[in-house]
Amino acid sequence: SQQGEEDPQALSIQEGENATMNCSYKTSINNLQWYRQNSGRGLVHLILIRSNEREKHSGRLRVTLDTSKKSSSLLITASRAADTASYFCATGRDYGQNFVFGPGTRLSVLP
Amino acid sequence: DAGVIQSPRHEVTEMGQEVTLRCKPISGHNSLFWYRQTMMRGLELLIYFNNNVPIDDSGMPEDRFSAKMPNASFSTLKIQPSEPRDSAVYFCASSLGTSGRGGQETQYFGPGTRLLVL
Repeated sequence: SQQGEEDPQALSIQEGENATMNCSYKTSINNLQWYRQNSGRGLVHLILIRSNEREKHSGRLRVTLDTSKKSSSLLITASRAADTASYFCATGRDYGQNFVFGPGTRLSVLP
Repeated sequence: DAGVIQSPRHEVTEMGQEVTLRCKPISGHNSLFWYRQTMMRGLELLIYFNNNVPIDDSGMPEDRFSAKMPNASFSTLKIQPSEPRDSAVYFCASSLGTSGRGGQETQYFGPGTRLLVL
């Protein structure tokens, strides 16, 4: 499988700071997606980056993809307490093959 | 749009009982996924359907688990007989595939069913 693996497993920062999470994977991909899960809720899609893209922005989120290193990073700028959640990456390979979620990074933003 | 709807939201049952979880995907979506989430194993894909056809059921833990999708707007996940180790949160998700057999696109998750087997 092409499971993504997030790093770190847990991250604690102060409100207003930036948070960076990384994802590494093993095989070639078509796209990589980041999701957020608030405690007790379902996952919510944040951003999708395709294999031919290197960087993508969405509001306070910035995602980079380095296919040569098989890694991606998610940057949340000016974090807020409401950003406290678990963040997952999921990698997709070929059509017809589902993508797999990593174990996630638990982010705590302290007020 | 109502989003993905799952029922029940909570289920408490005794070991050996049959459990049926239900999911209504987002209208127009052609792929549907069942996941199980536990602290120990994280988020695991159990099975996914594309155009109502099961594409990958390699994640189904054993014969006690079965899933059906009789039409584009409804799916069930059944556990019979249930065991305490099946206790988890079960999520259903749907997506709109643009080509191929799906599985690559943005997935929209339901709120989950929290199952406790005593």
